[in-house]
Amino acid sequence: DQQVKQNSPSLSVQEGRISILNCDYTNSMFDYFLWYKKYPAEGPTFLISISSIKDKNEDGRFTVFLNKSAKHLSLHIVPSQPGDSAVYFCAASPSGNQFYFGTGTSLTVIP
Amino acid sequence: KAGVTQTPRYLIKTRGQQVTLSCSPISGHRSVSWYQQTPGQGLQFLFEYFSETQRNKGNFPGRFSGRQFSNSRSEMNVSTLELGDSALYLCASSLMTDGEQFFGPGTRLTVL
Repeated sequence: DQQVKQNSPSLSVQEGRISILNCDYTNSMFDYFLWYKKYPAEGPTFLISISSIKDKNEDGRFTVFLNKSAKHLSLHIVPSQPGDSAVYFCAASPSGNQFYFGTGTSLTVIP
Repeated sequence: KAGVTQTPRYLIKTRGQQVTLSCSPISGHRSVSWYQQTPGQGLQFLFEYFSETQRNKGNFPGRFSGRQFSNSRSEMNVSTLELGDSALYLCASSLMTDGEQFFGPGTRLTVL
C-alpha cells in the first residue's frame, strides 16, 4: 500500500520556467516531509524539508508547499535549470526515522 | 568529512544464495537506515538501526535482516535470494534518529 504517491512519473520543463512536482500522502500521522533529488548512479541527496507546523519553506530556487487538509505537498523550482534534471522523490515520516517514499518524478529541464 | 560508503557497489548472485551488504555512515552519525529501490516501487524502507538496536522495521520478509556494530557501521543480509530481490539497496545515515538523512551511492544487486 503506497502511502506516499507521486502520480507524475515524468515532467519536462523549459529552462527558466517553473517546475512543479507534486506529492500526495494518505497517512494523517505524517508530520515531517522531505524532498530528495537523485542523479543516475548516485544515492538521493537531500533537497528541502518541511514540518507540519508550516505550510511553506523556501531555500533559494526551491520552495516546498504543504497543504495538510488535502494531504498534498509540492516542490516548486524557479527558475528551472538544466542541472536540475534528475529524479525527485518526496518522503514523509510520522516522526522518527521511518520514512515513506514516493516512486519519484523524473524532471527534464530543456535548454 | 567523508560521505556514506557502501560496499560492494555491484553484486550478481543466483537464486537461493545469500548476500551481505555493508554500509559505513558519516563519522559521528549513529542512525543507519536501509532502503530498497526498484523502478515500480520507488524507495521502500527496510529497517533502521540506532546505537546497535533496530528501532524501526519496514514490511519485508524475515529473509531481510541487518545489524549495526559499535562503530555504527551496518550490514544488511538477504538470505535465500529471489529474482524479485534484484534492486538498488541504499543506506542512509543521520546524526540522530529524527533528522536529515545522507544517502550512500547504493549497492546494485542482480539476482539471476
